[in-house]
Amino acid sequence: DTGVSQDPRHKITKRGQNVTFRCDPISEHNRLYWYRQTLGQGPEFLTYFQNEAQLEKSRLLSDRFSAERPKGSFSTLEIQRTEQGDSAMYLCASSIQGPNVLTFGAGSRLTVL
Amino acid sequence: GIQVEQSPPDLILQEGANSTLRCNFSDSVNNLQWFHQNPWGQLINLFYIPSGTKQNGRLSATTVATERYSLLYISSSQTTDSGVYFCASEGLNDYKLSFGAGTTVTVRA
Repeated sequence: DTGVSQDPRHKITKRGQNVTFRCDPISEHNRLYWYRQTLGQGPEFLTYFQNEAQLEKSRLLSDRFSAERPKGSFSTLEIQRTEQGDSAMYLCASSIQGPNVLTFGAGSRLTVL
Repeated sequence: GIQVEQSPPDLILQEGANSTLRCNFSDSVNNLQWFHQNPWGQLINLFYIPSGTKQNGRLSATTVATERYSLLYISSSQTTDSGVYFCASEGLNDYKLSFGAGTTVTVRA
């Protein structure tokens, strides 16, 4: 068990470009979460999956954001037409059904120039 | 969603000192966790504590669910305890954690 893996760890892009982040959860975990964290703030919920079903999305998740979890394994978070306000750390977490104890990955830091 | 407030926002300690961090939450919860975020941004789960008291080495936590607060105690602080401590809770009809703004702890040698 290698924990929750996120890739890439750092991404620098120009405004208007598309970016995609990948998250590999702990293998037996059926819940997967995406959070966003900006400097000096706590993580904010974006969306979560139970197996392959996306069960909840935050109002923070504009139509430029899309997340998928095909086959209930890894997940991707895509941001289209990036804006400078999208610069943040994108955190993925997973948990197993039952007490919802989240394990976080190391995060993917996005910088939009 | 549930609101989480943490205090104090910043804490500066001398090595060896003890401290208490507080977390208030706005509604009944079935999940409360404390995390430590290291300088590289990794969130490490310290405690899952929806009620009661737990201890892990120099850290301990107490949640009084009926009064909607939780406390994290750091005893004999070390420089490696520095970082941001987050409290996060999940409401009774919810499946996601809502985080507080964190307490930034600086332990000086």
